[in-house]
Amino acid sequence: AQSVTQLDSQVPVFEEAPVELRCNYSSSVSVYLFWYVQYPNQGLQLLLKYLSGSTLVESINGFEAEFNKSQTSFHLRKPSVHISDTAEYFCAVRNEGGKLIFGQGTELSVKP
Amino acid sequence: DVKVTQSSRYLVKRTGEKVFLECVQDMDHENMFWYRQDPGLGLRLIYFSYDVKMKEKGDIPEGYSVSREKKERFSLILESASTNQTSMYLCASRETGNTEAFFGQGTRLTVV
Repeated sequence: AQSVTQLDSQVPVFEEAPVELRCNYSSSVSVYLFWYVQYPNQGLQLLLKYLSGSTLVESINGFEAEFNKSQTSFHLRKPSVHISDTAEYFCAVRNEGGKLIFGQGTELSVKP
Repeated sequence: DVKVTQSSRYLVKRTGEKVFLECVQDMDHENMFWYRQDPGLGLRLIYFSYDVKMKEKGDIPEGYSVSREKKERFSLILESASTNQTSMYLCASRETGNTEAFFGQGTRLTVV
């Protein structure tokens, strides 16, 4: 069965520092990959997605993720984080059956 | 604007009660999902539905059932609530052929 592993449960970082949230998925013939963000006391919002084409995808608020097929990874990065980026981040893969499979989540805590 | 609405943000129920969690979407989406979210475990799929009156078990269906009598509404039922069903429950919907799923705000259920 398809699975997603987020390697870090918590990532503390200072404001304006770079950050990388790691995500690996079990191999499949074709996958769609997603990062969702959950701000405190809210539902999940789509941050960015990889469907096909360019392996580097970007969000409107400065995050980017790179699909690496050989390493089955989809790590999320931001060169300079803000306090407002504090949230929980979920990596997900949609399998061929249409199910969305989530990782365990990574809590990003940005400190001043 | 896309909207998935869960009827309650917070619920407290007693062990053995029958509990209904309601979810309504206004986007005419065919697919609807119920997840539970627990710390360190991410989101786990309970049930999903790809059409009215159709349902499929997810990864953790035990102790739950669902109902989809109308396209816009997907109900999660706990036949006899137990304390290990205390959790955050998230509903989502997605259009067939589209990859993005939209989430509700979540219902935090406490079973005492």
